[in-house]
Order: sequence, then C-alpha cells, then structure tokens
Amino acid sequence: AQTVTQSQPEMSVQEAETVTLSCTYDTSESDYYLFWYKQPPSRQMILVIRQEAYKQQNATENRFSVNFQKAAKSFSLKISDSQLGDAAMYFCAYRSVSGANSKLTFGKGITLSVRP
Amino acid sequence: DTAVSQTPKYLVTQMGNDKSIKCEQNLGHDTMYWYKQDSKKFLKIMFSYNNKELIINETVPNRFSPKSPDKAHLNLHINSLELGDSAVYFCASSQEWLAGGKHYEQYFGPGTRLTVT
Repeated sequence: AQTVTQSQPEMSVQEAETVTLSCTYDTSESDYYLFWYKQPPSRQMILVIRQEAYKQQNATENRFSVNFQKAAKSFSLKISDSQLGDAAMYFCAYRSVSGANSKLTFGKGITLSVRP
Repeated sequence: DTAVSQTPKYLVTQMGNDKSIKCEQNLGHDTMYWYKQDSKKFLKIMFSYNNKELIINETVPNRFSPKSPDKAHLNLHINSLELGDSAVYFCASSQEWLAGGKHYEQYFGPGTRLTVT
C-alpha cells in the first residue's frame, strides 16, 4: 500500500519570502501521479500543482514549483514570493495511474502561516 | 458555473438518525469519489464510482451506503448516525481518460460538515 508522509505539522514564512514544504511517499509502482492541494479556511480543496512520475522535469505553476526526486521518493513544494493568501493547509497526495485504483492517498497536511 | 456541488453544506443531527448528502458534478467526468476529513484534518477515501459502478470501497461501516443514479451524481446515505461520524465529507470527480492523454486531477466539492450530537 502507498503511504504519504508530511512530517512538518506547521510552518511559517514572511510575506514575499520563499518557503519549501516537504513530502515523502512510499510505493512499489514505477508510474504514478503526485499532487499538492491547498485547503484555506473556507475548506475548499484547491489543486495547486501536479507531477507525473515519468516526467523528469519538475512541474511549475506561477509561484509554485516542485522538487521531485523519484529515487528518494521525495516531492517538496516551493512557494516563492509568499502572499498572505497562501496561508492554508497544504496536502501532498499520491495516486496510481491505474483507473481501478484512482483514489488519492493524502499526507496529514501542513499548516502554513504567512507573516505580514 | 459550479463544477462539483454538494448539499447540504452543514448538517447537524442527533445520534441514531439517518441522513443523506448529495453530490453533483457538471464537468462530464466519469468517476466520482467520497472522502472523509476527520477532526485532525486527515483525508481518507471512502468510495469511488466509475460510470455508476462501485470500484473502490475502503473499510467503511456498512451504515454508509453510496448510490450513483447516473455518472453526474453520487449520493451518500448514512444510517444510525454515531458521534464518530462527525467530520467533513468531500465529494470529488475526475475523468480517467481524455482524448490526447491521461488526466488525473480530482476536483473537489465544497464539503459537507456533519455534526452528530
């Protein structure tokens, strides 16, 4: 079974600075997808970024980028130029490429606060 | 314009009651899910349906029964509610295959906060 670990329960960053959120996972599969979701106080789950395991290039979405290390099974999220609106819980998630096992397996999440 | 909607958004009820949560998606997706987020914010899959067929059924008490009348709807019925059922329940949807490649993003509804007293 796949597992996702987010070992840092909380992090804080100064506005306009850069922060990196860590995530590791365990799987025996060679092809899979990884995601970061953001959950603000409104509780809506918002997809931030995704990474296909077969792609070596790290995904980037505006101020958000990942550092995907497949051999180390590590998938960290870097937020550049942090904004007050980035304050939220962030969840790392894994899923198989198999349609029969399309569930997302989540980490426990990390609470990010942004200091003005 | 709402992609995945859930009703109700809040539900307060007493132990022993039976309640339902409804979910609808207008994205044309073929797969829908129910996730439970507990008081510690941990999210876990409960069920998944693909084209109205149950494909994932995690270890969930049989008091929980999902129903998919068509591929745009997935409802969750809960019998004999217990205090431990208090949580936020999220519906999500995805399209497992699209022309031109695989697409695996899951889009979430706003969640239903269930409180059992």
